[in-house]
Amino acid sequence: EPEVTQTPSHQVTQMGQEVILRCVPISNHLYFYWYRQILGQKVEFLVSFYNNEISEKSEIFDDQFSVERPDGSNFTLKIRSTKLEDSAMYFCASSESGQGPHNEQFFGPGTRLTVL
Amino acid sequence: GQSLEQPSEVTAVEGAIVQINCTYQTSGFYGLSWYQQHDGGAPTFLSYNALDGLEETGRFSSFLSRSDSYGYLLLQELQMKDSASYFCAVQNQAGTALIFGKGTTLSVSS
Repeated sequence: EPEVTQTPSHQVTQMGQEVILRCVPISNHLYFYWYRQILGQKVEFLVSFYNNEISEKSEIFDDQFSVERPDGSNFTLKIRSTKLEDSAMYFCASSESGQGPHNEQFFGPGTRLTVL
Repeated sequence: GQSLEQPSEVTAVEGAIVQINCTYQTSGFYGLSWYQQHDGGAPTFLSYNALDGLEETGRFSSFLSRSDSYGYLLLQELQMKDSASYFCAVQNQAGTALIFGKGTTLSVSS
């Protein structure tokens, strides 16, 4: 069964450092997303991406964040200068359809980011 | 904007039935989704209701009343493996992202 994969599973970094989180969405999906979940809290939307550009982004997704589809399979989230409050689980998701009544999203296993 | 309310915790015993309620406020409603999450792992899709009424998928059912901005997830014949967090979610106004509730932690005991 096709699945979304993410690497690394756990990333530890120093405050102020740049990190890149990587995702491989399901191959025939066209819509990609990043979410984050701070420990014990709800899943929060960061950004959606379609046709090589950002469709929508939340207030959390400020200038320190960027996304890229560098090739035909990978989808990355870059955090330019990490802060302590960026520590969270970051989930990548993909869906076959995007805007509209139902876009079932398939989530990857997540990358746990720890900022020290 | 969108907001969702659901209970923070529910406990039940094996074999029982439990209902997890969700009320929502949203501008531009497409439908109500339910996701399951075990121990902080990947949220997995359970069900989706776009129209009023009950949708049944095996032991799990989901209900929606659009006039009441209310839905619930019904879990029957509970098993220990059903212990997890359950999130209701709606799409944002543009329909391009999921907005999740805070989640309900279900604990099933023997």
